[in-house]
Amino acid sequence: GAGVSQTPSNKVTEKGKYVELRCDPISGHTALYWYRQSLGQGPEFLIYFQGTGAADDSGLPNDRFFAVRPEGSVSTLKIQRTERGDSAVYLCASSRGRSNTEAFFGQGTRLTVV
Amino acid sequence: AQTVTQSQPEMSVQEAETVTLSCTYDTSENNYYLFWYKQPPSRQMILVIRQEAYKQQNATENRFSVNFQKAAKSFSLKISDSQLGDTAMYFCAFTYSNSGGSNYKLTFGKGTLLTVNP
Repeated sequence: GAGVSQTPSNKVTEKGKYVELRCDPISGHTALYWYRQSLGQGPEFLIYFQGTGAADDSGLPNDRFFAVRPEGSVSTLKIQRTERGDSAVYLCASSRGRSNTEAFFGQGTRLTVV
Repeated sequence: AQTVTQSQPEMSVQEAETVTLSCTYDTSENNYYLFWYKQPPSRQMILVIRQEAYKQQNATENRFSVNFQKAAKSFSLKISDSQLGDTAMYFCAFTYSNSGGSNYKLTFGKGTLLTVNP
C-alpha cells in the first residue's frame, strides 16, 4: 500500500478481554516498530521487528503484551487480559531497515478498555 | 538512557508570524539523529525535519528550520510564515545508531501543542 495501515482505527473492549491490533507496513519495509501513546504523552517504544524476528522487545510492559510478524510483513500486537491502564493509542511505524532512520507512521489504533 | 524534554506544553502564534519550539535531550551517544514530528488530530505522525548529529549545518525544509546546539544538547524548531494547517502537536524525537546497526527506535518528548490563530 501507499502508507502504513492500521486496523481497527478504534477498539473498545471490556476489561479482561483479549484484543489484536493489526499493522500493515509499507511494501518492502523490513523494519517495523510498535509504540504506545498514552493521553498527553509522547509515544513510547514497545517492540521492533527486523524481518520476521522481534529484535528488541524491551519496551513491552509485561507478559500480557505480545507481537508477531510471521511473514515479515503484517504485524499483530496482541494484548491479553486487558486492563483499563492499557487504554492508549497504539502506533505502528515502518522503515526500509538497515541504516535507514526515517520511520513512516500509521494513524494508530485507539484502544479503550472499559 | 536517552531522554528528550519539551518544556513548552502549549504555544500559540498568529498566522504568518514565526514561532520557535524548544527541545533538549540527554545522551552519551556520539552518533545520533534528531527529529521533529507533527501529529495533527488524525493521529498520524508526520516527519517535519531531521538532523544528523555529525552535521554542523542546521537542517532546513522550506518554512521549517532547526537550531542544533550539540554542546548544549538543544534542538529547537523554527516555523516561519506560520499557516493555519501548522496547528498540531509537535514532538521532538531522538534515535541513535546502536551496535546492531538497524534498530532506530525513537525516544519522544511529551510534545508541544501549537495553535496558529487567524
